[in-house]
Amino acid sequence: GIQVEQSPPDLILQEGANSTLRCNFSDSVNNLQWFHQNPWGQLINLFYIPSGTKQNGRLSATTVATERYSLLYISSSQTTDSGVYFCAPRGSNYQLIWGAGTKLIIKP
Amino acid sequence: KAGVTQTPRYLIKTRGQQVTLSCSPISGHRSVSWYQQTPGQGLQFLFEYFSETQRNKGNFPGRFSGRQFSNSRSEMNVSTLELGDSALYLCASSLGTGAHEQYFGPGTRLTVT
Repeated sequence: GIQVEQSPPDLILQEGANSTLRCNFSDSVNNLQWFHQNPWGQLINLFYIPSGTKQNGRLSATTVATERYSLLYISSSQTTDSGVYFCAPRGSNYQLIWGAGTKLIIKP
Repeated sequence: KAGVTQTPRYLIKTRGQQVTLSCSPISGHRSVSWYQQTPGQGLQFLFEYFSETQRNKGNFPGRFSGRQFSNSRSEMNVSTLELGDSALYLCASSLGTGAHEQYFGPGTRLTVT
């Protein structure tokens, strides 16, 4: 099956810093979603991005499906950005396939 | 539009018991998927239901089962609970089966003692 690798596994930044999270996947995918899991466990949709670039406020994402990777950019980080970020591409049977996540800690 | 709701939010059960978790999808969504999240295994797909039919199933033992009702609400059941079943169980809804965007509920945190 498809393997998903996220990097870095952990990231500690000061408030105001920018960051780039990477997601590599081992095979062609149907689409891809980025999620933020807050400390209470809720998965919050960030982007639904099978290809191309999307922006939403301080966040943007780019997926290059032909090269099998996606990037999530966070600018001007805030403490509320802390949590775990997951990318989840969809395999051939359309189920979400999960990476191990990037744990982001933003210090005030 | 109300989001995905899951009940109960927290649950403590004893080994050997069974448990039923409930998920109400976003209004108009007809597909419900279930996932298990544990510190050791991460997020894993359990099963997907669409139009009251199971469309996909993950690699879990038969103790894990589910169903979907005509109003798209879904339940999952775990019988003969084991300590390793302690996890956050997440439900996601989408418009239909296939490549539609999935939206998640707050989860049910199950502790088996």
